[in-house]
Amino acid sequence: QVQLQESGPGLLKPSETLSLTCTVSGVSIGDYYWSWIRQAPGKGLEWIGYMSYSGSTNYNPSLQSRPTIFRDTSKNQVSLKLGSVSTADTAVYYCAREGLYYYPSERWFDPWGPGTLVTVSS
Amino acid sequence: QSVLTQPPSASGTPGQRVTISCSGSSSNIGSNTVNWYQQLPGTAPKVLIYRNNRRPSGVPDRFSGSKSGTSASLAISGLQSEDEAGYYCAAWDDNLKIWLFGGGTKLTVL
Repeated sequence: QVQLQESGPGLLKPSETLSLTCTVSGVSIGDYYWSWIRQAPGKGLEWIGYMSYSGSTNYNPSLQSRPTIFRDTSKNQVSLKLGSVSTADTAVYYCAREGLYYYPSERWFDPWGPGTLVTVSS
Repeated sequence: QSVLTQPPSASGTPGQRVTISCSGSSSNIGSNTVNWYQQLPGTAPKVLIYRNNRRPSGVPDRFSGSKSGTSASLAISGLQSEDEAGYYCAAWDDNLKIWLFGGGTKLTVL
């Protein structure tokens, strides 16, 4: 059974860097694509980016080069850093397995972690 | 950045059939498969339909998905109170090279 758990600081000040970790159990992170997705309070879902099984990454350009996704295969963790946060980055952040196929049309997000709320406030 | 358009709300009474639409363009729904996610209040989303019309094990056959051209639909038959949730469509966009989500539809069971 695949399980994901996000962790990291819940409160940040504007201009700080958000750092979250997704700890995966049940599968090797090196076998799948992994995505980070966020949801602002009362709003919809926004895709942040993914890391592939080969270690390549792809990010949502709307986030203006601020996110970085990296992994620690020895700990089976996928991490997200988001620089220069503002109040607009307040959201629940989810990690999700995206699947193992090369073509996006053959992938979907399953499962998702429970999410972690990050609040940006001065 | 909801390039996929969903109605913000939908409703039905127990036992009814409800459909939720998701409209996109040739670079996303028109070129790629559509996935649907259900988000129960206070919980993380979970996949309901993948690759347009496939149900993961454990998802009741009351839920079905379809796609035609640049639009997709989620249908829920035999509506139950536990179906009250948010529903999101998602598709890859070949031009933007990103995953797009619809804005979400909040389903109310009256």
